[in-house]
Amino acid sequence: DVKVTQSSRYLVKRTGEKVFLECVQDMDHENMFWYRQDPGLGLRLIYFSYDVKMKEKGDIPEGYSVSREKKERFSLILESASTNQTSMYLCASSNMGGMSYEQYFGPGTRLTVT
Amino acid sequence: RKEVEQDPGPFNVPEGATVAFNCTYSNSASQSFFWYRQDCRKEPKLLMSVYSSGNEDGRFTAQLNRASQYISLLIRDSKLSDSATYLCVVSIRGKLTFGTGTQLKVEL
Repeated sequence: DVKVTQSSRYLVKRTGEKVFLECVQDMDHENMFWYRQDPGLGLRLIYFSYDVKMKEKGDIPEGYSVSREKKERFSLILESASTNQTSMYLCASSNMGGMSYEQYFGPGTRLTVT
Repeated sequence: RKEVEQDPGPFNVPEGATVAFNCTYSNSASQSFFWYRQDCRKEPKLLMSVYSSGNEDGRFTAQLNRASQYISLLIRDSKLSDSATYLCVVSIRGKLTFGTGTQLKVEL
């Protein structure tokens, strides 16, 4: 069964803290993605990766960085958390190739920055 | 203009009703099209892909009109369990762009 896991379901951090969100997939997928989801704005792509040690900026990369040292793991880093980064963060993975490009999502991490 | 636009709803319908959702997209280079379903406080999951020829999966029918850049989803004989948010999604080279979703509430 397809599985994407995220390190925390709920996280509360203070402004200025460095925050790590971890994502692991067990499907040997090449592609991994980080989104944030906000009411009225939908899912927005932060960063994605098509291969180990490779990363590409999505639509809203400012204030974030990522790391992909192993194929199954994709980390999102908030270098200095701010209140406007309070959001639901969703990780996803997909297979390279083919036209379906179905993305499988993790359960999400609800981050609150105070 | 948003890349993918949907009516946010909510659509409140009685059980057994037929309901239709519409979606438009702005990038004519979009290659693949999908409907995802997201239950309250859950992650999105693929409901079905959408093809120009139209496709059907049980009570669900999806249509794509490339000329009008328009995607639709029809749900027949709606069930209480269909209550969810339906996300219209377009893809270019594997990168997905999501609409903000249409909320459906099916009532007794």
